[in-house]
Formats: sequence, C-alpha cells, structure tokens
Amino acid sequence: DAKTTQPNSMESNEEEPVHLPCNHSTISGTDYIHWYRQLPSQGPEYVIHGLTSNVNNRMASLAIAEDRKSSTLILHRATLRDAAVYYCILRDRGSNFGNEKLTFGTGTRLTIIP
Amino acid sequence: EAGVTQSPTHLIKTRGQQVTLRCSPISGHTSVYWYQQALGLGLQFLLWYDEGEERNRGNFPPRFSGRQFPNYSSELNVNALELEDSALYLCASSFGGPHEAFFGQGTRLTVV
Repeated sequence: DAKTTQPNSMESNEEEPVHLPCNHSTISGTDYIHWYRQLPSQGPEYVIHGLTSNVNNRMASLAIAEDRKSSTLILHRATLRDAAVYYCILRDRGSNFGNEKLTFGTGTRLTIIP
Repeated sequence: EAGVTQSPTHLIKTRGQQVTLRCSPISGHTSVYWYQQALGLGLQFLLWYDEGEERNRGNFPPRFSGRQFPNYSSELNVNALELEDSALYLCASSFGGPHEAFFGQGTRLTVV
C-alpha cells in the first residue's frame, strides 16, 4: 500500500488559516487522497477527498500538487473545535480489492491556540 | 439519516472470555471496516467486509474474527481475551471504492 507522511504535530492560532501537509510520493494513478480527523474521544470523521484537482467543501479545501506526490489540507479559519488528529490516507479507486484497507498512519495532532 | 451505530458503547470483560461487538452501517453501504485503537495510539486495521465476504484482514491473530450479514451489518468476535485487547473498537461503513467512509462512535472494551 502506498504510504503517507505527515508532521506529528502542528499549532495554529484561532481564526487563522491552517495548512496541514501530507507527502505521498509513492501514490499510484488510481489512489484517491482522503483526509479524516479524529476529535478527542470520538471516531474519525471524514473531511474531504480528491484525485487530481483541488477540492472545496464546507469544512476545508484540499490542494493537490500537480505531480500528486503531496497534498495540503487547508482549514480557512481555525476554531477551537478544529483541534484534532488529522489523517491523510490513500484510497484505491477500487480496481483492486486488495488495496482497500483504508490504512491510517499516525496523523498530525493539531492544537489551536486561543 | 442514521449514521453508523455500534453496540455496546462500553464493555468490561475478564481475561479469557469472549466478546461480540456489533455494527450497523449506513443504509446502502456495502463495505464495513473494523479498527482497533488502543489508548493514545493510532487506528490499526482489523477487518474489511464487502458484500458479505471478508476481503482483507490486518495483522491480528485468528482469535479476532467477524462476519457480515445479508443486511450488511457486521459482528466482530474476539476469543480468549487478553489484557492488551483493551481498546476502542471502531467500525466504519462505505460504498467501497474511492468513496468516503463513515465511522461509528466505537465500543470501548476493557479487559481486566
């Protein structure tokens, strides 16, 4: 399975934008880039996903490098409720059943400073 | 629309016992994933079921097993419980393929 690399932790001030990086240099052409977050004492929550083009939704934006070897999750205006562990994972398009483990790495622990 | 539901929410068992955890996926989802999250650690992939079949399993001993029913709900069984099995067990459901997965709130299992 293609792997992802994320910083262990990041801090950001409240009401400022946050850019969470993820490297996935061994990404295959059929891998989607997914982001999830896990708030304390809760199950992971889907944030956003994309394949090649940048994506926006109500929660965040996903910027994908042209070579797809890295991506950045952008929280436009961080709030205290955004404090969580953020996971970047790769998910196969489904052409090969064996790749659908939905494997989570260690993620980035985001701390929001009031 | 109801999300992924797991039962029970909390469970205390003694070493050597057996436990069954249950998961109801979001309506229409055919894939169910099980994860183990020990306290302070990351999510470890346990099992993936799709259309009633076990498609993949993580690096866990055979005493961890499960099944998926025709209505796509799923059970996770753990036999001969050990103290290190104490963890949050999370279930997720998805349409499969590249689609997003949705997680339940988990079952907190404590083995004493």
